[in-house]
Order: sequence, then C-alpha cells, then structure tokens
Amino acid sequence: EAGVAQSPRYKIIEKRQSVAFWCNPISGHATLYWYQQILGQGPKLLIQFQNNGVVDDSQLPKDRFSAERLKGVDSTLKIQPAKLEDSAVYLCASSLGPLTNYEQYFGPGTRLTVT
Amino acid sequence: AQSVTQPDIHITVSEGASLELRCNYSYGATPYLFWYVQSPGQGLQLLLKYFSGDTLVQGIKGFEAEFKRSQSSFNLRKPSVHWSDAAEYFCALQPYGGSQGNLIFGKGTKLSVKP
Repeated sequence: EAGVAQSPRYKIIEKRQSVAFWCNPISGHATLYWYQQILGQGPKLLIQFQNNGVVDDSQLPKDRFSAERLKGVDSTLKIQPAKLEDSAVYLCASSLGPLTNYEQYFGPGTRLTVT
Repeated sequence: AQSVTQPDIHITVSEGASLELRCNYSYGATPYLFWYVQSPGQGLQLLLKYFSGDTLVQGIKGFEAEFKRSQSSFNLRKPSVHWSDAAEYFCALQPYGGSQGNLIFGKGTKLSVKP
C-alpha cells in the first residue's frame, strides 16, 4: 500500500512570507497528525485531526499557523507569516484511528528553511 | 508532566558490536512506549512498541527493548549492529487510554557505525 505522501520535500522562504505544506495520508486512515521537528529535537505534535475535525491543536501557534483537512482526507498546514524559528521539518502522520493501539505511519517530511 | 529523556545525543559503535540506547520516561502511570528510527531524508519508522504484558519486546531489524517499571526505562538493544543501522533513534511515549493519540518524543540518539 502507498505510504503517507508529503509535498514539497524542501522549501526555502524569507521571514514574513507565507508557506503551505500538503499531506496525503494512507487510504482509509481517519486520523491525521502534523508534527514539527526542529533540528536536534524530537517531533512535537502541532495538530491532530479525526476525519475532518480537530482533536487536539493545543500546541499549534494559532496566530501564524493554520491547518485544515477538508473532506477528511488530504490536509494542508499553512504558516503566515513565517519566522526564523519556524525552520524545521514538518512531518505528517496518519493512523486508522485515534486510539493508542493504532500505529502512526509517518511521511518523509517537508524541510522548511526560513531566511 | 509527561516527558521522555534520551541521555545520549550521539553514540558510535563498531559494526558487529552490541548496542544499547537508553530511554527514560516520566509519566504518572504505565504509558505506551515506542522506538522509532529515522534515516536521513526519511520519515520515522516504527521499530517496536510496548503496551502491556511481557516486558521484553521484539521488533523489526533484530531490535528488542526491555521495559523496566522500577527504573522508568525502555532501553533499546541489538546484539550485533550492521552498517545500515546508522540513523537517528527516537523513544516516544503515548499517554495511556482514551483518544490521546499524540506521541511525546525524546530528543533522539544519533547512531554512527564504524567499519
């Protein structure tokens, strides 16, 4: 089966610009996650969707970050305006459901550099 | 607060030597525990997981991990390391029960393998 797809793989922007990332989860996976991985650290959850509803966005900087999952399939994560500290790898993951016994499958990530 | 600590930032082992990567967690109960591996430019791949039961867990690629409640540890081991094991390894915790699917990661341990 196809894995989690993400695009673009790399993005370089200047601070105060906007950027969007796209994620296509594994077919049939109801739960989708966006993680931020800053260099030298482990991934940190930004937002979790169950179908097209938000389950947890407590760590999403809502003044500049937004995410949506229309129709409960693909998702986009947007940053506007970007700051230098947003430079990171943005990982998308999906699972069959939200319960802890469901394995999360990760995409390859989008590496964002803000200059 | 829930947290995961990986004390070793970088470890170098010789090919064929044994490996142990340390992981300690802080959580009020017994959590679900995971080890992931991340190769350069790749997403995270699940090596193994502990939910309950036998405290010695077998995973893919010849890895195993042992859960020790008294030490709040979940160390990853491999008896003989191969050059292809060079990667970054992340220990993660998932709060027990409910629909809390988010993973809490350690900062990772980078493994280098010398010939």
